[in-house]
This record gives sequence, C-alpha cells and structure tokens, in this order.
Amino acid sequence: EAQVTQNPRYLITVTGKKLTVTCSQNMNHEYMSWYRQDPGLGLRQIYYSMNVEVTDKGDVPEGYKVSRKEKRNFPLILESPSPNQTSLYFCASSRDRVTDTQYFGPGTRLTVL
Amino acid sequence: QKEVEQNSGPLSVPEGAIASLNCTYSDRGSQSFFWYRQYSGKSPELIMSIYSNGDKEDGRFTAQLNKASQYVSLLIRDSQPSDSATYLCAVKNFGNEKLTFGTGTRLTIIP
Repeated sequence: EAQVTQNPRYLITVTGKKLTVTCSQNMNHEYMSWYRQDPGLGLRQIYYSMNVEVTDKGDVPEGYKVSRKEKRNFPLILESPSPNQTSLYFCASSRDRVTDTQYFGPGTRLTVL
Repeated sequence: QKEVEQNSGPLSVPEGAIASLNCTYSDRGSQSFFWYRQYSGKSPELIMSIYSNGDKEDGRFTAQLNKASQYVSLLIRDSQPSDSATYLCAVKNFGNEKLTFGTGTRLTIIP
C-alpha cells in the first residue's frame, strides 16, 4: 500500500530535550516536505527536499533541522524544542515538484512543556 | 495581506445543495492550484488540482480558476454529510518552489 508514515504519532516532551520525528514514504517520491498546522495559521511549510541531499527552507524553518540521506526518509529534528513548537506536524511527499499532488502522513501531535 | 485567503467559515449547506468555496491569492506568478479536504483529526487529502483558466470537473466536484482575478473556487454538487470537513486551498509558484496553503474553510452539510 502506497503511504507516508510518521513516528511517533503523539509526543509530549520538555523544553530543550532533543527529539526526532521520522517520516518515510514507499512511493519512490523525489519531493518531500514538512509542515506544521496551528489553529488560525493553517499549514505552513517548515522544510522541503527535492531529492537526496537537497533540502531547503520553507516559511518557518527556525528551530528545526532536516536531512535527506535516503530517498524514502526525511526526518525532522528539533535540537532544543520550545513550547512555541507545540503543534501538529505533517510530512508529505510528491512524485515531482511540477504536479505537486502531495500525499500526507497521518500527523504527529507534539506538545512541548 | 495573506498570500492565500479563504473565508474560515463555518459554511453551512443543506444536504443536496451546492456548496461553494472560494480562495484568493496574491502572487500573480502562481501556476498550480489545489483543493485539499481535511477531516477533523486527519491529514489533508487532495481533491482537485487545476492549472489553467476555466472549469475542471471531477464527479461532484468542480474547480474554477480565474488567474486575471486571482481566485480559485471549488463547487460541490449534491452535497452529502460526508463532505463535512475543512477545505484547504493551496497555491504553487514554481519560481520559488513554494506551496502556500490557506487557513481553510470549515464546511458543514446539514442533513
């Protein structure tokens, strides 16, 4: 089954404790993105990657890191989480950057205390 | 001015009627336009994409694009209770590789 998976689905952590949210897709997609969704602000792009070892900042990259060492995986790293990073996070992938039919993962609800 | 604007709703429509959702965008360089549906607590899923001016129909859904007026709309005919969701408009500019989402319109279909 074609899908995007994220782990964990729910996470409660404390300020400053490094964490990684994993994202994996099995569709051989080149393009992957991370979004955060907050009430009243909608979906905002954090980082995106057009292929292995190619990443770039989206609209709200501060406080986040990503890497793309393999085509299928695109982890999101929070080196020192803060309460303002409490949000719902979505990973997405698409075949290419032209059609941009994005397939979203199930989401990760992160709470930073 | 927000880059992609949608009326947040809620928009209430009787079952069987036509639901009309609107979206305006500010970047004239935008080239691709998308409508996503998001059920509460779920991830967004693509309903329609449209790339050129005019109408595009897919089943009960019709997307309409007017680049001169910088708006894109989604019509849902014969609305069903299962159409109750938040609808997200997204706009892509290939020049800066940016896909921008609106904040969404919450649609409720009243049985």
